[in-house]
Amino acid sequence: AIRMTQSPSSLSASTGDKVTITCRASQGVSSYLAWYHQKPGKAPELLIYAASTLQGGVPSRFSGSGSGTDFTLTISCLQSEDFGTYYCQQYYSYPRTFGPGTKVDIK
Amino acid sequence: EVQLVESGGGLVQPGGSLRLSCAASGFTFSNYWMSWVRQAPGKGLEWVANIKQNGGENYYVDSVKGRFSISRDNAKNSLFLQMSTLRAEDTALYYCASSTTLGYYFDYWGQGTLVTVSS
Repeated sequence: AIRMTQSPSSLSASTGDKVTITCRASQGVSSYLAWYHQKPGKAPELLIYAASTLQGGVPSRFSGSGSGTDFTLTISCLQSEDFGTYYCQQYYSYPRTFGPGTKVDIK
Repeated sequence: EVQLVESGGGLVQPGGSLRLSCAASGFTFSNYWMSWVRQAPGKGLEWVANIKQNGGENYYVDSVKGRFSISRDNAKNSLFLQMSTLRAEDTALYYCASSTTLGYYFDYWGQGTLVTVSS
């Protein structure tokens, strides 16, 4: 199975800050990578697929980049509603695997 | 509006069985791969299984192979997960999720149903 790692595991930032989260795959996954946002007590929501394609309705302050083994999720201007946990997920092969998550707190 | 509503969770003893259901509405269910994804209390997300549009293809994470079975009824817009020989480590919130493209990523999620395996 492809192992996904994320860094940092948690971060605290102020509204308006630029936030960057990194995801790394244990082997190349091309651009078969998605990002999700989960608020406490809620189901995850798809933000980005194909490493950099924004899901419909997702604000443009979110962006994704990378290919192969190294990927980045960037929030250009953090908003209060962006708190929660962010997960990356590879769909290059089975089993589909998620990263352990990055918890974002708003200062 | 897309809706996925899971049901069937509950408390079950180790070694027991449970059948989860997911009722879908607001989209053409038969056009989508469907998945189950679980989240143990306070933990991250784990993909469990998925099934192709016509039910003719499915995949499982190794830890549930031989114990869980995914199925669907397109006439009733429903997804199922038959779970048997349950273990304490199967305790989790089980989400039903849809995938628009080849079962790749998960674009819509239900709110989950909680399965607790304990004596």
